[in-house]
Amino acid sequence: ETGVTQSPTHLIKTRGQQVTLRCSSQSGHNTVSWYQQALGQGPQFIFQYYREEENGRGNFPPRFSGLQFPNYSSELNVNALELDDSALYLCASSSGDRVYEQYFGPGTRLTVT
Amino acid sequence: QKEVEQNSGPLSVPEGAIASLNCTYSDRVSQSFFWYRQYSGKSPELIMSIYSNGDKEDGRFTAQLNKASQYVSLLIRDSQPSDSATYLCAVNRDNYGQNFVFGPGTRLSVLP
Repeated sequence: ETGVTQSPTHLIKTRGQQVTLRCSSQSGHNTVSWYQQALGQGPQFIFQYYREEENGRGNFPPRFSGLQFPNYSSELNVNALELDDSALYLCASSSGDRVYEQYFGPGTRLTVT
Repeated sequence: QKEVEQNSGPLSVPEGAIASLNCTYSDRVSQSFFWYRQYSGKSPELIMSIYSNGDKEDGRFTAQLNKASQYVSLLIRDSQPSDSATYLCAVNRDNYGQNFVFGPGTRLSVLP
């Protein structure tokens, strides 16, 4: 167990809807990164938050947005859901001095129908 | 050319054998390298990190890095059926974790 928690575990949404996924980072970790993992592929970097600011972004459209709160927990919001958004969404936390050593939560499985 | 490449497998080895997993990357400025293990239906688990050329050993695992050849590998000695999983190679291109790129993973099957 990494101490990183995510909610919900599973979610089913309809195309065009909006979704919010949540992540609580491991104690002492101030950096949260979000990844999308499609079936049979490696995780793809969405964005990273450090001290409540977006600190880097992958090749994802603006309808993917996020927040980080003062307690370092984070949200991922996806608007106008598309069928291709169906995936496992992973949150990873890390600490400032070893930010590249990332520890993953259990993930949220999103299905868009 | 993909940024991080791995053989998709499956790689099958008998119990007790050495499993060898390979990964190549395209960006020469990459700084740090990681191996994650992912069981089916679970999230990735960090098992090894390596930052400089050479070998790094941790228990039954040995990571090997050759920056000149842009190649990183993971050896698993005395493979056990519980090692059966997908192994993801990840490369970080800076010191801030913002350019973290994963390979597609290699599926390892250890046969009893």
